[in-house]
Amino acid sequence: ETGVTQSPTHLIKTRGQQVTLRCSSQSGHNTVSWYQQALGQGPQFIFQYYREEENGRGNFPPRFSGLQFPNYSSELNVNALELDDSALYLCASSLPRNTGELFFGEGSRLTVL
Amino acid sequence: DQQVKQNSPSLSVQEGRISILNCDYTNSMFDYFLWYKKYPAEGPTFLISISSIKDKNEDGRFTVFLNKSAKHLSLHIVPSQPGDSAVYFCAASRPGSGYALNFGKGTSLLVTP
Repeated sequence: ETGVTQSPTHLIKTRGQQVTLRCSSQSGHNTVSWYQQALGQGPQFIFQYYREEENGRGNFPPRFSGLQFPNYSSELNVNALELDDSALYLCASSLPRNTGELFFGEGSRLTVL
Repeated sequence: DQQVKQNSPSLSVQEGRISILNCDYTNSMFDYFLWYKKYPAEGPTFLISISSIKDKNEDGRFTVFLNKSAKHLSLHIVPSQPGDSAVYFCAASRPGSGYALNFGKGTSLLVTP
């Protein structure tokens, strides 16, 4: 059984640029969620996708957007990067149950200069 | 607005003793609570959960206690082992939003031999 994989693991961008982060969900999981973890903080919910549609969103501006593909993999796109977007971005997949037991990837560390 | 709070950033315990990690929450709508463990350079992994209809859930060395009136939960690890050294996150969810977890900032547990 393949776990959740994310790419890239690290990347550096400058303010104003755009970034795309990718996630492959665990086999059999059709729901993907994205979280942002700033330094010294807990993960914060960005949004979730179920069957290729956004199915819940946290308190993040529209420049944070996402996609889910038919194979349940997902992308997180952030436009007009700001310094405060520097964080670890975690992707999590889950079974079609509403229990909150998420399977996280190792994350993509984004640094915005 | 931090709805899940872990007020102890760190905790040090001797091997074999009990580790008690605490968590408080402010939103009375939360009905499901989870603990995640995170090692460096890895994503969080699910540890144990509890529904609001219970006050205790046990899984091997790990027990979670929930006090709804105090809006408080705790994770007990008995006996503690050096491999338990990690950051522990408390998380909570509301009905119908199981994948949108609200995380605390985490408690770093160090178990010394």
